[in-house]
Amino acid sequence: QQQVKQSPQSLIVQKGGISIINCAYENTAFDYFPWYQQFPGKGPALLIAIRPDVSEKKEGRFTISFNKSAKQFSLHIMDSQPGDSATYFCAARVGGGYNKLIFGAGTRLAVHP
Amino acid sequence: DGGITQSPKYLFRKEGQNVTLSCEQNLNHDAMYWYRQDPGQGLRLIYYSQIVNDFQKGDIAEGYSVSREKKESFPLTVTSAQKNPTAFYLCASSDLQLANYGYTFGSGTRLTVV
Repeated sequence: QQQVKQSPQSLIVQKGGISIINCAYENTAFDYFPWYQQFPGKGPALLIAIRPDVSEKKEGRFTISFNKSAKQFSLHIMDSQPGDSATYFCAARVGGGYNKLIFGAGTRLAVHP
Repeated sequence: DGGITQSPKYLFRKEGQNVTLSCEQNLNHDAMYWYRQDPGQGLRLIYYSQIVNDFQKGDIAEGYSVSREKKESFPLTVTSAQKNPTAFYLCASSDLQLANYGYTFGSGTRLTVV
């Protein structure tokens, strides 16, 4: 119930292509869904986030698509660049005062020039 | 600059030894968190705290301990009871007063058992 399942584990995309990472959850009490980007040896940084009452959110080349009925959400990176090569984590917030996030297992993205 | 500082960046522990990882934030955030990162397993929650002198066990608290004596500080002790402590440890904080719920992470401490 508290898990967030992320796929694929790794992804290779050509420069200019679209990168798509998917996540699924079971707990309908989750109320906030962020994506984090992590470069090697660094801490994750918040990339983009969405709430369940919105079906899509776009920030620059990054878009979250959210399907509440299917309990799935995905990250799309348009016009992927070598500088986007990083590990991406989806997460879901457990409602309540502690603001606790449950993370997916991560996707290692490599964008080839 | 506001942020989270984790130290040391690299730490080596001998078998049977306790070690403490430091986490300090100057963001005036209420909540702080410790996560452990292992390859292919994402980030797993060890402990979290909403307020000074209060903390809760996460999913993998066994073999770890924390304290929250100051709002700015949330040190993590890896005890000898933790059987497989080699991992990348991440500290994070969030502002419970804002509804954006985003975490700010530190740069991590890589712990290796020697």
